[in-house]
Amino acid sequence: GQQVMQIPQYQHVQEGEDFTTYCNSSTTLSNIQWYKQRPGGHPVFLIQLVKSGEVKKQKRLTFQFGEAKKNSSLHITATQTTDVGTYFCAGPWTGGFKTIFGAGTRLFVKA
Amino acid sequence: DAGVIQSPRHEVTEMGQEVTLRCKPISGHNSLFWYRQTMMRGLELLIYFNNNVPIDDSGMPEDRFSAKMPNASFSTLKIQPSEPRDSAVYFCASSLAGGSPHTEAFFGQGTRLTVV
Repeated sequence: GQQVMQIPQYQHVQEGEDFTTYCNSSTTLSNIQWYKQRPGGHPVFLIQLVKSGEVKKQKRLTFQFGEAKKNSSLHITATQTTDVGTYFCAGPWTGGFKTIFGAGTRLFVKA
Repeated sequence: DAGVIQSPRHEVTEMGQEVTLRCKPISGHNSLFWYRQTMMRGLELLIYFNNNVPIDDSGMPEDRFSAKMPNASFSTLKIQPSEPRDSAVYFCASSLAGGSPHTEAFFGQGTRLTVV
């Protein structure tokens, strides 16, 4: 079945270091969404990418959508302790309205 | 808008008891989703509704799980009888599926269920 895979599962960084998480889909996606979940919290929408090769920035966060629309990445420059949490990518299921979430990448930032 | 509202926030129950989780989606949203999150299995979609109609319940683990959406502003997820392996955080989310069906989902705070 359709799958959305994320790597790495965990990432430990020192504050100030960069961080990247990668998302790969088994099928071509019409769009991809990114969510962040703080420890003990709920997933919160960050951004949606729609166009092939699209790049969007939110302050220190850079989101990319692959040319083939099957992969995406989230890059955080100079991590801060406030970046701690789990980052999920999510893509639409080809058969309907539901959204398929990746397993998430949990980011730990050491001060 | 208050966002997606879930109740209760925490629930501790004994094995075999019935558990009912409640959700009030954002007003105007026409899609509602129930997710379960565990360390082992991550975020799993259990069921989703569009315009109050269950569209896909293939994620519902067993017949012990049932969900209803009697109107646009209320949904329930029921587990009867509950088992320890049902312990998880259950999230409700809503979105507006209009011209673009895959708009962002807004999640509630979740219900942390512990079955002992």
